[in-house]
Amino acid sequence: ETGVTQSPTHLIKTRGQQVTLRCSSQSGHNTVSWYQQALGQGPQFIFQYYREEENGRGNFPPRFSGLQFPNYSSELNVNALELDDSALYLCASSVGDNYGYTFGSGTRLTVV
Amino acid sequence: DAKTTQPPSMDCAEGRAANLPCNHSTISGNEYVYWYRQIHSQGPQYIIHGLKNNETNEMASLIITEDRKSSTLILPHATLRDTAVYYCIVRRYNQGGKLIFGQGTELSVKP
Repeated sequence: ETGVTQSPTHLIKTRGQQVTLRCSSQSGHNTVSWYQQALGQGPQFIFQYYREEENGRGNFPPRFSGLQFPNYSSELNVNALELDDSALYLCASSVGDNYGYTFGSGTRLTVV
Repeated sequence: DAKTTQPPSMDCAEGRAANLPCNHSTISGNEYVYWYRQIHSQGPQYIIHGLKNNETNEMASLIITEDRKSSTLILPHATLRDTAVYYCIVRRYNQGGKLIFGQGTELSVKP
């Protein structure tokens, strides 16, 4: 049973629009990270937050941004959507490396 | 982070042991080996990790060679529900949430 929930599960947006994806982590999980997974590929690291501050970023442009809140929830925002942004977006959280990272089931974003 | 090499696909008969290899010949002394799996349409699931000793938990065993250049994930009695993509990841401990996923091994467990 996953302790990380993501919403919505599916979403369709038009090119140029903006989208906000949400993630709710387990209590005490003060590290949250976001990943993009294109069809047939492994997940690609977007960025991570620790205690509400971004402290690591992958090779993604600034139109990908995020927020982490004190209640262990977080958001991924993507501006100016492009067709290539169509993917599964995954949120992961952990209380520490000894326990691995718990992933949500993801949000499937389709940009048309 | 060290790169890993895994076979793209493997088959295993139900009830038999599944042995999934991973090569990480450039691993550094402070890097751990982590295994995750991803069942279709779900998020990745943590399985196990280790530094240099063999590790076992309720899901699997991890065997790391003495030179640490390769490892094997063992599912002792594979079931149909173990059909998934298995990812071997090498990273430093407490590096935060950045996991570098390769292509992984697609394991098909067949009846």
